Amino acid sequence: QKEVEQDPGPLSVPEGAIVSLNCTYSNSAFQYFMWYRQYSRKGPELLMYTYSSGNKEDGRFTAQVDKSSKYISLFIRDSQPSDSATYLCAPKPNFGNEKLTFGTGTRLTIIP
Amino acid sequence: NAGVTQTPKFQVLKTGQSMTLQCAQDMNHNSMYWYRQDPGMGLRLIYYSASEGTTDKGEVPNGYNVSRLNKREFSLRLESAAPSQTSVYFCASSVDRGGNEQFFGPGTRLTVL
Repeated sequence: QKEVEQDPGPLSVPEGAIVSLNCTYSNSAFQYFMWYRQYSRKGPELLMYTYSSGNKEDGRFTAQVDKSSKYISLFIRDSQPSDSATYLCAPKPNFGNEKLTFGTGTRLTIIP
Repeated sequence: NAGVTQTPKFQVLKTGQSMTLQCAQDMNHNSMYWYRQDPGMGLRLIYYSASEGTTDKGEVPNGYNVSRLNKREFSLRLESAAPSQTSVYFCASSVDRGGNEQFFGPGTRLTVL
């Protein structure tokens, strides 16, 4: 079993829809939960991160972590064609550990 | 600021050939990383360098060597390329070990025939 599981998609939704992207993980030591966005033929870039359980909102994006069920979610409201990209979750332990464990990524297309 | 730069952008090798992928960052970051990205496998860490003068193995180090030349530069060498090393390679950097944000370069697309 992989430490981080992510549905690879692809996922296509109409513009303006709410998008839900999800990951599950198995390592109880994970405390920081990052979401990276990767446009086609580009390197990933950090979108947002949360610490421990709870929600964090940044504009149209909301990251949610449920540590009891080891479930990570990213919600995109009012989705735009510019949100079309691959989204990767990347959790890591709390202590000074530089190693991220990336999910395989979900490819998202927003249809105008 | 160029951020993280990688050369070359594309490369085709024959089995057994060697090559070095170059990476440089101008953000004064201490930590640097090499990843490979394959379909269905996500990003996997090959090697990382927590600070100048140190390097450590990641998840998939076999067949690769690295050199942290100075604080700015971190190179990845394939001594004898194999078709299994066909992949997209990304270099990344972060302020220090434990930094949550890693900044990625544009990638090198490598094909080994």
